[in-house]
Amino acid sequence: DAGVIQSPRHEVTEMGQEVTLRCKPISGHNSLFWYRQTMMRGLELLIYFNNNVPIDDSGMPEDRFSAKMPNASFSTLKIQPSEPRDSAVYFCASSLLSGEAFFGQGTRLTVV
Amino acid sequence: AQSVTQLDSQVPVFEEAPVELRCNYSSSVSVYLFWYVQYPNQGLQLLLKYLSGSTLVKGINGFEAEFNKSQTSFHLRKPSVHISDTAEYFCAVSESGTYKYIFGTGTRLKVLA
Repeated sequence: DAGVIQSPRHEVTEMGQEVTLRCKPISGHNSLFWYRQTMMRGLELLIYFNNNVPIDDSGMPEDRFSAKMPNASFSTLKIQPSEPRDSAVYFCASSLLSGEAFFGQGTRLTVV
Repeated sequence: AQSVTQLDSQVPVFEEAPVELRCNYSSSVSVYLFWYVQYPNQGLQLLLKYLSGSTLVKGINGFEAEFNKSQTSFHLRKPSVHISDTAEYFCAVSESGTYKYIFGTGTRLKVLA
């Protein structure tokens, strides 16, 4: 398996634009997580899905953020409209029940 | 609610010296514990994990950690570090049977020549 695949690796966008980050989890994994990493706040759990269902989205900063998992092999994190304070590295991770989380390489988002 | 504390934000150590990175957690139920390593511009990679059984856990790259339930700690150790161990290390906890991982703030290990 190629591991968790995220795209794009880098994204630069202007304030107010919509941004969509994509994630392909490891085949067979039933849990998927979106994390945000910044120098100030470290690693923050934004949302996690179990069997494609959002279980906990309490970490989603505000209504500008939304996440979907239409099937077991794909998830998106959307920010609309984007703001400079959204600049961060966004990680997707997947896991099996009681197993460790496997992380993607991350998407470095810069909002100017 | 569970939480993870990594008291040391940075740890400088000379090459071939031993190192210990500290991690304490709080949880009212049984937990699974993990250590991850992050090299610059990369994702997190699992070093080792404790799910149950022996409290001394051995991982990759010569690292090990010991689960101490009474002290709610899961400190990471390596007897002799290399320059290539320079990275950021994250401790994480998840409550047994749940899918939610909580990460500490990370410890930046800098190995000096």
